[in-house]
Amino acid sequence: GQQLNQSPQSMFIQEGEDVSMNCTSSSIFNTWLWYKQEPGEGPVLLIALYKAGELTSNGRLTAQFGITRKDSFLNISASIPSDVGIYFCAGRKGPADNYGQNFVFGPGTRLSVLP
Amino acid sequence: GAVVSQHPSRVICKSGTSVKIECRSLDFQATTMFWYRQFPKKSLMLMATSNEGSKATYEQGVEKDKFLINHASLTLSTLTVTSAHPEDSSFYICSASPSGRDTQYFGPGTRLTVL
Repeated sequence: GQQLNQSPQSMFIQEGEDVSMNCTSSSIFNTWLWYKQEPGEGPVLLIALYKAGELTSNGRLTAQFGITRKDSFLNISASIPSDVGIYFCAGRKGPADNYGQNFVFGPGTRLSVLP
Repeated sequence: GAVVSQHPSRVICKSGTSVKIECRSLDFQATTMFWYRQFPKKSLMLMATSNEGSKATYEQGVEKDKFLINHASLTLSTLTVTSAHPEDSSFYICSASPSGRDTQYFGPGTRLTVL
């Protein structure tokens, strides 16, 4: 079935460092979503990407929809302690009008920020 | 905007009882809602897709008679765990897809503990 790979699986960084994580697949996707989940909470949507090559920012976060449509990356600049959490990517392939459905989630990247 | 609520946030019940979890989209209409289950330190596992006014579509391996889903309106879906057993203890998260938008917004989750 469809699978998404996320790397790294986990990372420990110093406060203030930049972070880069990615999501890859052997399949082509039409939409990429990035979420952050904190312990005991539901995932929060960070960035949505809808076109190949699209680069979108949300504050210190930047994400890009890969040209091949098989990958996406998320960068966090100048990390702060509250960036701690699990970052999930989600991809959707299928009919263009199949909005919102059939998303596949990656296993997540666990980010720890050391003060 | 795009707020999804879940109730209750935590529930403890005895084995053999049934538990109902509500998922509401507070500021948008959601033709489709989704129910996920998440084990500790794991990714999200889709249980079922719920379309307003029709029967839910269950993922392979999910017992539809055990996990009853009702999507009676464009803002409310309910998941009932029937005859709960300790192995049903988990974090249940719903999400909702705004009509015409290719994304999902998650609720805060419900922690179910079956004694």
